Amino acid sequence: DAEITQSPRHKITETGRQVTLACHQTWNHNNMFWYRQDLGHGLRLIHYSYGVQDTNKGEVSDGYSVSRSNTEDLPLTLESAASSQTSVYFCASDNGLAGGTQYFGPGTRLTVL
Amino acid sequence: SQQGEEDPQALSIQEGENATMNCSYKTSINNLQWYRQNSGRGLVHLILIRSNEREKHSGRLRVTLDTSKKSSSLLITASRAADTASYFCATGSTTYKYIFGTGTRLKVLA
Repeated sequence: DAEITQSPRHKITETGRQVTLACHQTWNHNNMFWYRQDLGHGLRLIHYSYGVQDTNKGEVSDGYSVSRSNTEDLPLTLESAASSQTSVYFCASDNGLAGGTQYFGPGTRLTVL
Repeated sequence: SQQGEEDPQALSIQEGENATMNCSYKTSINNLQWYRQNSGRGLVHLILIRSNEREKHSGRLRVTLDTSKKSSSLLITASRAADTASYFCATGSTTYKYIFGTGTRLKVLA
């Protein structure tokens, strides 16, 4: 069965370190998204990609970067982790059709000390 | 800026009762989706309603959309303990990116 996975599921890091969160999907979807979820804010879009070599900034992209070298993966990098980036991060993908269902990964809980 | 705002923020009901949650949004949309999130899990798609539709059903779920009021409601009938979760609306527009609301936490008491 097709799925979308994230790793690690939990991560503790220190302020200033570079951190990369992995997202891998086997749906063969063109579109992939990264969100962060914080209490009182719901899900906020960080970056998204509509295909290989395509990346776009979302609502809260400062301090984050992504790269899309193949269809299956969209890693999210925190260049220099800050305590404000402590959050739960979700990756999602969809097939690019208007109104298409987004499929979500299980999430990564990141703590920046 | 958040597009969707769910109301209420939290809801507690008895098993067998109906649960209604509302979503209001700010700009024109092409469609609106509802998702469920169980504790510690990712979001799961429940139902999509397009901007030219007024009502849609799926099992025990009924969704309505009023584009003139920029609002939608999700009704879960005959609720079960397993319906305990957070529910989010997400709006899709011509820019295609989905914007999620802050969610309604539903607790169904057995």
